[in-house]
Amino acid sequence: AQTVTQSQPEMSVQEAETVTLSCTYDTSESNYYLFWYKQPPSRQMILVIRQEAYKQQNATENRFSVNFQKAAKSFSLKISDSQLGDTAMYFCAFMKGTGGATNKLIFGTGTLLAVQP
Amino acid sequence: EPEVTQTPSHQVTQMGQEVILRCVPISNHLYFYWYRQILGQKVEFLVSFYNNEISEKSEIFDDQFSVERPDGSNFTLKIRSTKLEDSAMYFCASTRDLQPQHFGDGTRLSIL
Repeated sequence: AQTVTQSQPEMSVQEAETVTLSCTYDTSESNYYLFWYKQPPSRQMILVIRQEAYKQQNATENRFSVNFQKAAKSFSLKISDSQLGDTAMYFCAFMKGTGGATNKLIFGTGTLLAVQP
Repeated sequence: EPEVTQTPSHQVTQMGQEVILRCVPISNHLYFYWYRQILGQKVEFLVSFYNNEISEKSEIFDDQFSVERPDGSNFTLKIRSTKLEDSAMYFCASTRDLQPQHFGDGTRLSIL
């Protein structure tokens, strides 16, 4: 069974600074996907970034980038130039890469990020 | 950009009553999911649905739960006899294969 662990329940960062959120996972699968989802106070689930395990290059999406260490099973999210609107709960999620409707997302427990003015 | 739509946004129901949560997935998506998030906890998978049948369900998804796609557009989650512990945010999601799942805004279910 796959597990996702986020060891930082809460983090705080000053506006315009950089913050890194940690995520580790455990799986015996060789083909899989990793995601970061953002959940603001409105409680929507918003996709931030996606990483395919077969790609060595780290995904980047504007101010958001990941550090994907496959051997260490680590998938951290870096937010550069933090903005007040980045304040949210961030969930790391795992999905098997086998295709089909069994591709449920397995979520970590989340990290609550507060961006301070 | 197409969205997953969920109604109602908030449902208050007496314990023991039946409740139906509705979702309209993105039109060209083939795979549909329900997730649950109890307040302050992580998002948990309930059930996946493809080709008009359940593909996988979690241990949470017991006989009190059922899903249906009655008309080719709506995707519903029914809880037959609600319990206090069913109070949670319920998210519908949809995807084409191996693409990120798109989530609706959720239905907040409160059981009194």
